[in-house]
Formats: sequence, structure tokens, C-alpha cells
Amino acid sequence: SYVLTQPPSVSVAPGKTARITCGEDNIGSKTVHWYQQKPGQAPVLVIYYDSDRPSGIPERFSGSNSGNTATLTISRVDAGDEADYYCQVWDTTSDQWVFGGGTKLTVL
Amino acid sequence: QVTLKESGPVLVKPTETLTLTCTVSGFSLSKARMGVSWIRQPPGKALEWLAHIFSNDEESYSTSLRSRLSISKDTSKSQVVLTMTNMDPVDTATYFCARGLMEGIQPFAFWGQGTLVTVSS
Repeated sequence: SYVLTQPPSVSVAPGKTARITCGEDNIGSKTVHWYQQKPGQAPVLVIYYDSDRPSGIPERFSGSNSGNTATLTISRVDAGDEADYYCQVWDTTSDQWVFGGGTKLTVL
Repeated sequence: QVTLKESGPVLVKPTETLTLTCTVSGFSLSKARMGVSWIRQPPGKALEWLAHIFSNDEESYSTSLRSRLSISKDTSKSQVVLTMTNMDPVDTATYFCARGLMEGIQPFAFWGQGTLVTVSS
């Protein structure tokens, strides 16, 4: 089955750029979505179709997807970005949604 | 305004069957290719997708849990129901329902607040 690999944690200083990866063989051939989840809250869609942003999501959030890695990039990180982030794809082989294991972003 | 709200028992015993209801508003479950999913999250752990149902009653399930899950909908009540049989303590989790960004197989733009289900004797 499809397995999406994310680093358990990423740390970044305020004002810097955070990059969170999501890996799987040939993930570039699929469409990747990203969610932000803060403690005690439901996830929020922050990037869809690899690089599109829903309304209300700051331009600081961007996405890319190529080869074996999809990346969520957060520029000018601030304390409010501290959260867990999950990638997601639709596995057409098994007709099911797959989530990555999640990455905890810490703002130093 | 699209909203979803989960409801169901907060505590179930091992081996019992869990029934959760997702009540939606702001859209119709009968709209072509409109779908609703169930997702769960054990405390401190990752999201896990469980099942999905479309307006035409087409269903899809997590491969690992397929034998224990059933999803259905009542369009007149604007509700999507998930049942999970033979509950175990490892099934303790917050259960969310969610709707896609638009019709078809879409990322989840709309989520319920989630409901915590504890499995314990």
C-alpha cells in the first residue's frame, strides 16, 4: 500500500523558512494536499493540488511536488505556524486516501 | 455556510459496535459526486482515513479496516453514518467527518470538530 514518509519534526527560527517533506516513490505523479493541525483542533487545508492555496491561507505557504518528494514551504515563519502538518494523496491503486505520518513544526 | 458535526457515544466497551453520525448543513448529500469521509486520530498520533461515501452511494474503505467498517447516508436527514464493529482499546481516537473542496475526489476543505471515543471496559 501507499506510504507517505514525513520527518517527525522540523525546527526553525522565527522569520526563517521551514520546509516539510513528504516522500514516496514517484509521488510527483500524484496530487498532494497539505493540512495544518493545531492542538485540540480539526485539521485545516493549507495547500491543495500540490501548490494551490485555499482562500484565507497566507501567501507564505507554498507547495511543490516532483520526483519522489513533495514539499510544503512556509516562509517568514512565526509562532502562529507552530503545528502538526500532514500530507495526503489519493491512492488510485487501492481507491483510498492516504495521510503521511505528520511533522511537528517547532518555532524556536 | 458548510458545517459538519459528529455525534455518538463517548465511551464504548471492547467488542461493541460503534455508531457515529455526521450531520451536515450548507450543502446537500444528494448533489452529484458530493462526498463525505470519516477520519480518525488516536491521541498523540497521526490522522487515519477510514471511509468515504458519495452522493450515488459509492463507497470506499481503508484497506486495513474494511472488514469492520460500514458507511451509509440518509439524505433526507443530511446525515452520514459510520459503524465500526468489534471495537478495541486501540480504536480510542477522535473521529472526524469531512467534506471535499468540491464534488468528486477532493481534499478535505471542511471538517467537523471531531468527537473523542474511548474504548474501555
